[in-house]
Amino acid sequence: AQSVTQPDIHITVSEGASLELRCNYSYGATPYLFWYVQSPGQGLQLLLKYFSGDTLVQGIKGFEAEFKRSQSSFNLRKPSVHWSDAAEYFCAVHPGGSYIPTFGRGTSLIVHP
Amino acid sequence: SQTIHQWPATLVQPVGSPLSLECTVEGTSNPNLYWYRQAAGRGLQLLFYSVGIGQISSEVPQNLSASRPQDRQFILSSKKLLLSDSGFYLCAWSRTGQRETQYFGPGTRLLVL
Repeated sequence: AQSVTQPDIHITVSEGASLELRCNYSYGATPYLFWYVQSPGQGLQLLLKYFSGDTLVQGIKGFEAEFKRSQSSFNLRKPSVHWSDAAEYFCAVHPGGSYIPTFGRGTSLIVHP
Repeated sequence: SQTIHQWPATLVQPVGSPLSLECTVEGTSNPNLYWYRQAAGRGLQLLFYSVGIGQISSEVPQNLSASRPQDRQFILSSKKLLLSDSGFYLCAWSRTGQRETQYFGPGTRLLVL
């Protein structure tokens, strides 16, 4: 069975600073990989996804993520964080052809002015 | 464009009472539908998914059940709520043939007292 680890429960950054959120997965093959963002009391919004091809994926809101097969990682990055980026971020792994994804426990991003 | 609705947004129910949460999707046909539960500080737990009317797959045996009476309607129910049923319930949909990319509704916060 697949698993997802988001090692950082909370991350605090200053507005304008760069951001990297870590995600490591365990799966026998290359899965489909996702990052979602959740604002308080809201549903999840898809930021970006990786299925195959270019390992650097661009998403919405200025986010990008890089798939590194050798490290089983799919880290999310943003060059300059805005206060509105404060939210919970979830990494998810989805085996191709399956209906059942596995989500990480999430990383809470706090942005200081 | 597609939209997904959930209601109610918030619900406070006594232990032992019944439950009915509704999810509807607009702008697409024959979607795959999903119910998740999100407990505080945790990731998402897939409860049920459905690939068509009347077809329900349960991922976690528990106090809840799901039904899909119409193509774009998904209902989560319980006959008798437990304290442990409290949480944030999210409905999601995906396209047939693109099951891995899921789109989430705004969620229902359930508090069982």
